[in-house]
Amino acid sequence: KNQVEQSPQSLIILEGKNCTLQCNYTVSPFSNLRWYKQDTGRGPVSLTIMTFSENTKSNGRYTATLDADTKQSSLHITASQLSDSASYICVVSANTNAGKSTFGDGTTLTVKP
Amino acid sequence: DVKVTQSSRYLVKRTGEKVFLECVQDMDHENMFWYRQDPGLGLRLIYFSYDVKMKEKGDIPEGYSVSREKKERFSLILESASTNQTSMYLCASSEAGAPRGNQPQHFGDGTRLSIL
Repeated sequence: KNQVEQSPQSLIILEGKNCTLQCNYTVSPFSNLRWYKQDTGRGPVSLTIMTFSENTKSNGRYTATLDADTKQSSLHITASQLSDSASYICVVSANTNAGKSTFGDGTTLTVKP
Repeated sequence: DVKVTQSSRYLVKRTGEKVFLECVQDMDHENMFWYRQDPGLGLRLIYFSYDVKMKEKGDIPEGYSVSREKKERFSLILESASTNQTSMYLCASSEAGAPRGNQPQHFGDGTRLSIL
């Protein structure tokens, strides 16, 4: 069964600090992995998308890494800001015609001043 | 920027009612999706559509149906609402691509539905 597991479930950090969120998956065959940011009361917004051949992708202060061998990804947030407080969702798609996506449960990040 | 608009942010209905949730996207996307989001369960796919008048079941289609009469509009229907359908409902759209799930999905802001 395809699964995506994220850790930690929740995280509290001080403004200006860095943090790293983890995503492990068992989706096969692998097509791509996406990280989304979901602010409270809003829909998810795509941060990065990585295919098998990519192992790092950045979007401003967000840097995602992918290790396709160990089936792990991380999202690193640098110099956190209060606006980074949100839920971060890891999504992995299968390389089949249907291209079904499996969603993780998300990590809730709180940035405090 | 892609705009996915869901007709209501909050909705309260009674058990047994037929409920319609509407979603419109303005980027001519082929693919549209309906999810529900519950604490501890993440996003779960209810139905999706890769073309007009086409629909496919997702992981949890029971108690739901969909309609896609026009490319830009995808409706979710709760045939007879029950309290366990109280949830946040999210609509998404994406461009066509192969495999179909390769394209990033653009989400609406959700409809928080309460069934009393």
